[in-house]
Amino acid sequence: ETGVTQSPTHLIKTRGQQVTLRCSSQSGHNTVSWYQQALGQGPQFIFQYYREEENGRGNFPPRFSGLQFPNYSSELNVNALELDDSALYLCASSGGTKITEAFFGQGTRLTVV
Amino acid sequence: DQQVKQNSPSLSVQEGRISILNCDYTNSMFDYFLWYKKYPAEGPTFLISISSIKDKNEDGRFTVFLNKSAKHLSLHIVPSQPGDSAVYFCAASKFRVASGNTPLVFGKGTRLSVIA
Repeated sequence: ETGVTQSPTHLIKTRGQQVTLRCSSQSGHNTVSWYQQALGQGPQFIFQYYREEENGRGNFPPRFSGLQFPNYSSELNVNALELDDSALYLCASSGGTKITEAFFGQGTRLTVV
Repeated sequence: DQQVKQNSPSLSVQEGRISILNCDYTNSMFDYFLWYKKYPAEGPTFLISISSIKDKNEDGRFTVFLNKSAKHLSLHIVPSQPGDSAVYFCAASKFRVASGNTPLVFGKGTRLSVIA
């Protein structure tokens, strides 16, 4: 099994810009979830995709949007970046043989200046 | 409103002793609980989980205990090793037959330091 991979690992953006983060899910997994982890906090759920459809959304504004592709990889897009968007963004895939377990990528560290 | 709480931000334990990390939850609809370990600059790594139909699950040095009436779970690590030093997150979810768990609700984490 290949693991969950995210790209890029780090990036710096200016307030007001747009960013796209990418995630390749683990082989055999059909569900991808995105989380935001601010400093000193636990990961907070942004949204989840199941078989290319949005399957739940957390308390994040519409400028956070996503996609899931037929190969179950996924993108997270954030428009009109704000300083508070600076965080570690984590992608988790699930839905394989161990349906109840979610496996995380290493994360993308986004800094908004 | 925090549905999953880890009230101890940090814990220090001597190598070889038992580490006990605690977690409380408020939502009685949660029926699946997981523990993750996180090193700096890495994503969370799944450690161990427990379904609400059980009260204990063991995997090597790691044991998770669930007390549903108290809405409390704990992770025991015996014996503790220096490599166990990391941030430990408790997470909870509800199980759905078709697509597995609902999204995870995490606590804020407990930083465990195992001292040699």
